[in-house]
Amino acid sequence: SQQGEEDPQALSIQEGENATMNCSYKTSINNLQWYRQNSGRGLVHLILIRSNEREKHSGRLRVTLDTSKKSSSLLITASRAADTASYFCATKDNNDMRFGAGTRLTVKP
Amino acid sequence: DGGITQSPKYLFRKEGQNVTLSCEQNLNHDAMYWYRQDPGQGLRLIYYSQIVNDFQKGDIAEGYSVSREKKESFPLTVTSAQKNPTAFYLCASSIWTGGVSGANVLTFGAGSRLTVL
Repeated sequence: SQQGEEDPQALSIQEGENATMNCSYKTSINNLQWYRQNSGRGLVHLILIRSNEREKHSGRLRVTLDTSKKSSSLLITASRAADTASYFCATKDNNDMRFGAGTRLTVKP
Repeated sequence: DGGITQSPKYLFRKEGQNVTLSCEQNLNHDAMYWYRQDPGQGLRLIYYSQIVNDFQKGDIAEGYSVSREKKESFPLTVTSAQKNPTAFYLCASSIWTGGVSGANVLTFGAGSRLTVL
């Protein structure tokens, strides 16, 4: 079963705009991760946020976590065409990692 | 360079055939995973292994088999019992941090695309 659910399923923006993707999950977690997947390729780890953190930054990425609402958001600022990809949140379910269905981001030049 | 290698990148199978997808890592990671991805969908866990000679079923293990004889290798066999095997298969590995408090950051291979003719 999927642990996370991303929203929206697809997002299309212009280069330079910000992109926000949301993830909701069902059970208590100790950390949440975001991954990126270019079309037809493997996933690449972007950032991990622990349950005792509310916000984390990495370059143009900003991740927030609200454990009371069981939700996280990924913000990509000043988007570029190269940011076009699918983005997934992932959480640990007992001993294995579970992924949501992803948000497909398209950044138009 | 350390990494995780999947082969072949593309594979075609006739109905009734078993095929094996290779996954090799030189990251010295304890844990390895196999996921299946269907077009426009997320990842579904097939099998994972925390340690050599041990593995656990994921959500969709039926019709698949794995082995973990070496730390570096975690091959996946798609058997004829898998009724709809056409999909993109992703292998991943991580340092094993057991229990719910651990943070398993996964490193993925480039994937293998299996098509049934």
